[in-house]
Amino acid sequence: DSGVTQTPKHLITATGQRVTLRCSPRSGDLSVYWYQQSLDQGLQFLIQYYNGEERAKGNILERFSAQQFPDLHSELNLSSLELGDSALYFCASSVAYGTGGLDEQFFGPGTRLTVL
Amino acid sequence: GQQLNQSPQSMFIQEGEDVSMNCTSSSIFNTWLWYKQDPGEGPVLLIALYKAGELTSNGRLTAQFGITRKDSFLNISASIPSDVGIYFCAGQLRRGAQKLVFGQGTRLTINP
Repeated sequence: DSGVTQTPKHLITATGQRVTLRCSPRSGDLSVYWYQQSLDQGLQFLIQYYNGEERAKGNILERFSAQQFPDLHSELNLSSLELGDSALYFCASSVAYGTGGLDEQFFGPGTRLTVL
Repeated sequence: GQQLNQSPQSMFIQEGEDVSMNCTSSSIFNTWLWYKQDPGEGPVLLIALYKAGELTSNGRLTAQFGITRKDSFLNISASIPSDVGIYFCAGQLRRGAQKLVFGQGTRLTINP
């Protein structure tokens, strides 16, 4: 158990719909990252938040957005869903900027999104 | 964007054999990480490397950060059935809570 929690574990929805994925980081971690894992693209970085502020963006679609709340949990919002959005979505957390072991990212169990 | 080339893509070995996999990149990375992912689960961190040339062990696992900073390898000695899974290398271009760039993964299958 990494200490990172994600809900829901599974999500099945239809094209055009909107869903929200939730992540709670490990206790004490200030940075949250979202990754998408699909069969053909592997693990791809989407977006990072640090202490409530967006820090970095990867290949995140405009239909996707995220935020980190004052209690440090994060939500990833996916809208106007398409069949190709079906994937595993992982959240990871790390302590903060720093040296040594502080760079290590710990992953949650993921949310499997299926768009029908 | 940056890519990590991980090989081999898959391995089929006998229980007790040693395993070796590696990652290479055209970019210099300041941190290398190795993860293992079981089906339906999130990646689990195995080893983190922070200095060029660094050799780090975690039980039967040993990983090295290449001198050029463009490669890393992971060795597993005396494999056991629970080693089955997908192993990913990941790199960070700069120190300090940066996004991870992942390799494509090595799927390890062990015949008992």
